[in-house]
Amino acid sequence: AQSVAQPEDQVNVAEGNPLTVKCTYSVSGNPYLFWYVQYPNRGLQFLLKYITGDNLVKGSYGFEAEFNKSQTSFHLKKPSALVSDSALYFCAVRDRDTDKLIFGTGTRLQVFP
Amino acid sequence: DGGITQSPKYLFRKEGQNVTLSCEQNLNHDAMYWYRQDPGQGLRLIYYSQIVNDFQKGDIAEGYSVSREKKESFPLTVTSAQKNPTAFYLCASSTRDLSNQPQHFGDGTRLSIL
Repeated sequence: AQSVAQPEDQVNVAEGNPLTVKCTYSVSGNPYLFWYVQYPNRGLQFLLKYITGDNLVKGSYGFEAEFNKSQTSFHLKKPSALVSDSALYFCAVRDRDTDKLIFGTGTRLQVFP
Repeated sequence: DGGITQSPKYLFRKEGQNVTLSCEQNLNHDAMYWYRQDPGQGLRLIYYSQIVNDFQKGDIAEGYSVSREKKESFPLTVTSAQKNPTAFYLCASSTRDLSNQPQHFGDGTRLSIL
């Protein structure tokens, strides 16, 4: 079965420091991977996706993610965190058999001034 | 301005009552989805529809029902059979080729029990 794991419930980082939000996946075949962000009482906003090609994917708001096939990981990164980046972040993988998205449990990012 | 509109933003249900959550999209997407979000559990799929007049159960369909009579609309009914309906409900849509296009989400409906 396809699955994603986000091992950290919360990540704390100081403003201006680099941030990493971790995601690992388990799929058969090549994965289609996504990152979304959710602000309080709002829906999810798409940040970036990996379908194929370059292992470093650039997305919205200065975020990027690195696809690592050998470690089955797709970690979200940003070189310099902003207080406004504080939100809930979800990793997701597409189930190729059903076309459904399977979401991780989410990681709350807290950026301190 | 294209997007997904969910209404109402807040909804309260009495015991034994059915309630319907609205989801409308003007993105011309074929596929639509309903998710339930509970703290610490991520998003769980309730129902999805890839085309008008057709829909499939997701992982937690019991106690819920949907219809897809129009491409733009995918209402979700939370029936009295759903014993723990308090949650944040999210509607999403996408083109059918999900591999290349992300799902777009509405801003959710928060359902509580009176």
